This record gives sequence, structure tokens and C-alpha cells, in this order.
Amino acid sequence: GAVVSQHPSWVICKSGTSVKIECRSLDFQATTMFWYRQFPKQSLMLMATSNEGSKATYEQGVEKDKFLINHASLTLSTLTVTSAHPEDSSFYICSARVGGVESPLHFGNGTRLTVT
Amino acid sequence: EDQVTQSPEALRLQEGESSSLNCSYTVSGLRGLFWYRQDPGKGPEFLFTLYSAGEEKEKERLKATLTKKESFLHITAPKPEDSATYLCAVQANRGSTLGRLYFGRGTQLTVWP
Repeated sequence: GAVVSQHPSWVICKSGTSVKIECRSLDFQATTMFWYRQFPKQSLMLMATSNEGSKATYEQGVEKDKFLINHASLTLSTLTVTSAHPEDSSFYICSARVGGVESPLHFGNGTRLTVT
Repeated sequence: EDQVTQSPEALRLQEGESSSLNCSYTVSGLRGLFWYRQDPGKGPEFLFTLYSAGEEKEKERLKATLTKKESFLHITAPKPEDSATYLCAVQANRGSTLGRLYFGRGTQLTVWP
């Protein structure tokens, strides 16, 4: 069964508004969660690493003021896309590990964001 | 720079027609190689982890193998339900505790009856 739950599965918003995406670890605590973005026929691109109780670590080229990440508890990380624009339309996926650093990542089912 | 290249980009097989998917990688010290299956509109589903050259893992009709430069995902007698995009990812051994994964673009597999 799924170990990572993501919500919503899809969202449509107007340009200039903000959207929040939630990622929950089920039945385990995740001190670290990873947020990915995927364009059609492209590989998953790591956007940021979410750390419980501390600031997220963003990949080069990802605007931290636009993609706000909050990891307030050991089971919940949120990604907020602020002042969304059509170019932010994409598939956002979160992930977490059940075990140590060599364990596989388990992914949520993703959120399809469409900005009109 | 660490890279992961998957081939072919797309593969169409008739049901029962076995084949292999390739994942070649360049990484400064391989910590682990991961195979995932992704269905349209869904997140990737974990299949296998391989840690060292010569290692093999099997699950139903799938078998993953690893060499020092590439990995193969062999599909034996595939069924239509095996249709999906198969993703390969590598984890570098750089001493980082975050365990970052580098993904390839995937192979889109279609199995027709």
C-alpha cells in the first residue's frame, strides 16, 4: 500500500494566486522529504529537500520565494506555489524514505497543477 | 557531471515478446541504482534496488541486472498490464546523508495483446 500520501491530486488555479500541496508520510516519520517536478516526457527534477524543523534546501535555479516549503511535523511537508503563472503548470511529486539513506524513495501520487 | 541515460525512449511489444530496457550511468561512485514504474498521472512505484555490479533482482516478469556502467531491466513474456514508463535512478556515494537520486527520462513501454 501507499506509504506517502499527496493532496490534492489535481488543482486548477488562476494566474497570480497561490496553491498549497500537502505531502504526508503514512505510518512512519520522515525527517526529510523530497519535492520533484516532472514535465511531459522528461525526467523527475529535484526541486528541494524538505527538512523537519529547519529550512528547506533548494536546488540551483529553483526560486525559494516562489516555492515555499514547510516541514512542520515529522509526517507532513507542504509546498506552496506562490503567485502562480502558466509556466508553473506541471506535475509535482513528493517522496520520502522509510529507512536509511540507502533505502528507496517512496513517492506520492503527484499533483497536477494547471495555472490558467 | 552525473548522468543517467535510458534507452530506448519508447518500446512497443506484442504480448509474450520478451525484451530489455537499458539504463547507462556515469556517477562518481555508485551507492545504489533504482528502478521505478510510473503509470500515467501517478507517482513512481518502487521496483528494485541494486547496489553492486553483478547483482540481480527479480519480481514476477521483471529482472534487473547491474554492471559497472549500466543496468538492464529484462521483461519476460510481458502482458498488457506491464505497459508503463520505467524509470531508472542512481544515487551517488558522495558522503551526503540526503541520498539524492538522479533520474533518467524513462522508457515508455507499451504491450499490446
